[in-house]
Amino acid sequence: RKEVEQDPGPFNVPEGATVAFNCTYSNSASQSFFWYRQDCRKEPKLLMSVYSSGNEDGRFTAQLNRASQYISLLIRDSKLSDSATYLCVVNRGNTPLVFGKGTRLSVIA
Amino acid sequence: ETGVTQSPTHLIKTRGQQVTLRCSSQSGHNTVSWYQQALGQGPQFIFQYYREEENGRGNFPPRFSGLQFPNYSSELNVNALELDDSALYLCASSSPRQGATNTEAFFGQGTRLTVV
Repeated sequence: RKEVEQDPGPFNVPEGATVAFNCTYSNSASQSFFWYRQDCRKEPKLLMSVYSSGNEDGRFTAQLNRASQYISLLIRDSKLSDSATYLCVVNRGNTPLVFGKGTRLSVIA
Repeated sequence: ETGVTQSPTHLIKTRGQQVTLRCSSQSGHNTVSWYQQALGQGPQFIFQYYREEENGRGNFPPRFSGLQFPNYSSELNVNALELDDSALYLCASSSPRQGATNTEAFFGQGTRLTVV
């Protein structure tokens, strides 16, 4: 079983839609959680960290459920520019980042 | 821009050859991690260097090796290239803080290696 699992998609949604991605992790010792965004043929870039209390950054909301070991990302009012692959990432302290395979999002006009 | 630079950006090699990829970390960052990202996959951890010492290794064979220099820049060397080594190779720099559990890593733009 992969340490971080995501639905690869693709998710094809119209502009303005709300879309949610989930991710599960297997190692209960995981301490830090992130969502990275990766555009086609580019490097991953940090979208947001995920905190136990949940956190929001504009149209993006991240949630963490430690008991169920899953992380979610909600995108409201989708824009064409949100089209990308979203990578769920975990680590344990200062250990290397462990990435999921990513979920592809296409926002359609 | 992250301040992490990788070279070259693209490379084509023949099976059996050797390759060296380079990474300059962000100023002040003493830790460099290398990742391999095959098409349609998430990045896979190769190894990490902290203050010129290897500080963790993923599930990659010994023909993947590396170095970190006193200025914290790093090299990834791959010997006896195989077709499956074709991938995007990403370097990430960070500066772990003592006791911190949430240290951001900054990625370079990657080197796209094609083995033919």
